[in-house]
Amino acid sequence: QSALSQPRSVSGSPGQAVTITCTGTSSDVGGYNYVSWYQQHPGKVPKVIIYDVTKRPSGVPDRLSGSKSGNTASLTISGLQAEDEADYYCCSYAGRHILIFGGGTKLTVL
Amino acid sequence: EVRLVQSGAEVRKPGESLKISCQGSGHSLTNYWIAWVRQMPGKGLEWMGIIYLGDSETRYSPSFQGQVTISADKSLTTAYLRWSSLKTSDTAIYYCAKLPYCSSNSWGFCYMDVWGNGTTVTVSS
Repeated sequence: QSALSQPRSVSGSPGQAVTITCTGTSSDVGGYNYVSWYQQHPGKVPKVIIYDVTKRPSGVPDRLSGSKSGNTASLTISGLQAEDEADYYCCSYAGRHILIFGGGTKLTVL
Repeated sequence: EVRLVQSGAEVRKPGESLKISCQGSGHSLTNYWIAWVRQMPGKGLEWMGIIYLGDSETRYSPSFQGQVTISADKSLTTAYLRWSSLKTSDTAIYYCAKLPYCSSNSWGFCYMDVWGNGTTVTVSS
């Protein structure tokens, strides 16, 4: 399996909204409602911020949201804050007990 | 609260073997899957494989099949990642992560909720 496709970088100003896309195939993103998103600050451990396409773990602000249409999942961050500057990775179930990550997107808050 | 504690940083030469560990604490982990994830220097996350601590059922990403061995000791609630012959390209941070039970499907997991602190492996001659 190939990695899911994410833009290498996105940027936005404080207060704005940005969307990060994650494109796969009907064998992974499109075939299952098990897309999760992970936030990783430099030098830190990844942290789950969205799971099962739209669900937020306890403690994750509701200005982070997930969605999916066809073979593409999206992470939207509204009301951008400086602390949102990080790398973001999508991950999808791909059948046969296998998960697959996206290549990662660097979010810059201008 | 579940915590995953990984073994410390390792430096090895090409061709050497290595086994790193990931021990769970704070809750019974025997009914959970544990995944291993690679992050090469300056690169993204790569899912390597997964093991069920209860019975050591293991699955590998095709990219890592035959390159590493994932194992576990249920009595120690510990998962392991082993290389029989390291390459310089194995230099990376390796994370373990727990997958909570997911009742909405037949395979039992959906995402990774608790991550270990990471083990840095450096392979250099």
